[in-house]
Amino acid sequence: NAGVTQTPKFRILKIGQSMTLQCTQDMNHNYMYWYRQDPGMGLKLIYYSVGAGITDKGEVPNGYNVSRSTTEDFPLRLELAAPSQTSVYFCASGQTLDSPLHFGNGTRLTVT
Amino acid sequence: GNSVTQMEGPVTLSEEAFLTINCTYTATGYPSLFWYVQYPGEGLQLLLKATKADDKGSNKGFEATYRKETTSFHLEKGSVQVSDSAVYFCAPASNTGKLIFGQGTTLQVKP
Repeated sequence: NAGVTQTPKFRILKIGQSMTLQCTQDMNHNYMYWYRQDPGMGLKLIYYSVGAGITDKGEVPNGYNVSRSTTEDFPLRLELAAPSQTSVYFCASGQTLDSPLHFGNGTRLTVT
Repeated sequence: GNSVTQMEGPVTLSEEAFLTINCTYTATGYPSLFWYVQYPGEGLQLLLKATKADDKGSNKGFEATYRKETTSFHLEKGSVQVSDSAVYFCAPASNTGKLIFGQGTTLQVKP
């Protein structure tokens, strides 16, 4: 059982570059989330999705985009990387609104 | 939306000490309540949950009781170990999908 899989595990970007963080889940969960965690800090919600074709902004959406064309995949796109986007990014999924979340192992991104 | 307030850390304890991490929540209705744990270098994982008022969730020696009257879900453990050193997050389920976490509480257990 793979659960929530994130790729890549690590990435270094130069300022202005773009990249896509991949997230896929094999549990047929409707709800998917992207969070960022800065060093020593809690989680901040970037975007979330309540089902295929539906996405919505979280607390800190600026500089990011998402899509949800399938139930399984929820990629996060950074168009013009900035040093402020240096963080660890976590993808998560949940079966229902009242279910616990399953988290991936994170992507550590450095923008220099 | 639903939200949570946790006690600030870090909490530093000696091995075998008693642990309490306070959590109070604000919610519409009575959502399920969760404690997650994040070990160094890893993602969050579910530690325990309670789905209705007066429920007690428990796992790995940790316990938390869903208190509707005080809107609290405090995490307790009778005797902590060095291996319990981690960041702990309290979170109510969301009724909209917009699930916001608090800042978490760092626990450091010294031998």
